[in-house]
Amino acid sequence: NAGVTQTPKFRILKIGQSMTLQCTQDMNHNYMYWYRQDPGMGLKLIYYSVGAGITDKGEVPNGYNVSRSTTEDFPLRLELAAPSQTSVYFCATSGTGFYEQYFGPGTRLTVT
Amino acid sequence: AQKVTQAQTEISVVEKEDVTLDCVYETRDTTYYLFWYKQPPSGELVFLIRRNSFDEQNEISGRYSWNFQKSTSSFNFTITASQVVDSAVYFCALRSGTGNQFYFGTGTSLTVIP
Repeated sequence: NAGVTQTPKFRILKIGQSMTLQCTQDMNHNYMYWYRQDPGMGLKLIYYSVGAGITDKGEVPNGYNVSRSTTEDFPLRLELAAPSQTSVYFCATSGTGFYEQYFGPGTRLTVT
Repeated sequence: AQKVTQAQTEISVVEKEDVTLDCVYETRDTTYYLFWYKQPPSGELVFLIRRNSFDEQNEISGRYSWNFQKSTSSFNFTITASQVVDSAVYFCALRSGTGNQFYFGTGTSLTVIP
């Protein structure tokens, strides 16, 4: 099992460009999450999903969009990238019941 | 409201010393879940432990131990005989028994000096 995979690992965007961060899991977990981690800071929740077709905003959703068409995939879309979106993005999953999260390896994004 | 406070931003210890990382949480729920994660310099987030609110037993796993005290809303993490490989940022997190979100503290950066 690969667990939680994220692509790409690194990306540099120019201001105003758009991109999609991919997250795929093979753990059959219902819950999926997107976080951002700014340098030296903790994790901030962007969006989360409790199952296919259901998404909800977290603490910092502005400038991002998500969709969840399958259990396995939870892509994060950045529209009109801004320097403030420079961060490391982590995808995480959690099983039904109140279990721990498992994280992907992260995507390091720089917007210049 | 749910909140996790890790007041220690950075800690440095000399190898083989014991170190305790503090975590204080706030919640009005009677059922909740607490977690510790480790983020080594390589950047990944590694799950260490989960504790349920109805289970106040302390836990020991090798050099790691966790002390959960509901009376003080604390879930502290102790590393005994620290090693250089323990150098990492450690995050404490809370999940409500009625919600889907996890609430993370700001992390404690531990440096173990050889």
